[in-house]
Amino acid sequence: ETGVTQTPRHLVMGMTNKKSLKCEQHLGHNAMYWYKQSAKKPLELMFVYNFKEQTENNSVPSRFSPECPNSSHLFLHLHTLQPEDSALYLCASSPGGVNYGYTFGSGTRLTVV
Amino acid sequence: QQQVKQSPQSLIVQKGGISIINCAYENTAFDYFPWYQQFPGKGPALLIAIRPDVSEKKEGRFTISFNKSAKQFSLHIMDSQPGDSATYFCAASSNNFNKFYFGSGTKLNVKP
Repeated sequence: ETGVTQTPRHLVMGMTNKKSLKCEQHLGHNAMYWYKQSAKKPLELMFVYNFKEQTENNSVPSRFSPECPNSSHLFLHLHTLQPEDSALYLCASSPGGVNYGYTFGSGTRLTVV
Repeated sequence: QQQVKQSPQSLIVQKGGISIINCAYENTAFDYFPWYQQFPGKGPALLIAIRPDVSEKKEGRFTISFNKSAKQFSLHIMDSQPGDSATYFCAASSNNFNKFYFGSGTKLNVKP
C-alpha cells in the first residue's frame, strides 16, 4: 500500500445508478486530487482540494460531484453516468506543494453499462 | 494544448538494453520534472525527479537527462529488466500551478 487507499477497487454501475468512490490518506498531506485515466489518453485532472477547499474543477460534468469532509478523505459521487465515463479513477495526495510529488492510490476501475 | 509531450507511445527493449523515453515541455515556468512508473492494476508511483538547476540525476539504473535550453528531458533505464515492463509517465509542474501536467505515457516491454 502506498498510504493512499481507494475503495472499491472495481465498480460496475448502470447509467441510472448512484455510487460513490472513496479515497483515504494517512500521510498528513494537505492536498488531494481526482484523476481520470482512460486508455491511450493522458491522465486527466478532475478536481483539486487544498485544506478541504476545492481549488480547481477542470470543467468536469456535473454528474461527477466531489466531496472533501477533511484533509484525509475524499469522495467522488457518481450519478447518471455515461458509458464513456468508464475508466480508472485515481486519487492522489501531496504535502501541499506539488514539488514534492504525488502519492497515488491504486485506483477504482469503473465500468458503466 | 498539451503542455508535456511524450514519446514514444510504446517501446520494446531486450533484457540488458537501454530504454530511452523522451519528453518536451512548453512552459518555462515549470521547475519540477518527475517520472512515474505504473504497473497494471496499480496507480502511478514516483520513480525519480529532477529540478532544472542540474542537467542529470541518477538513481540506480534510472537516469534523468535534462536540457533546459531545448525544454526537453528524458528517462534512461540502463540494463533494462523484464520487471521494468510498465507504463512510464513524465510530468512537469511548479508550485505556482499546484498540479502536474502529465505526458501521455510510454508502455515499455522488456523482452527476456
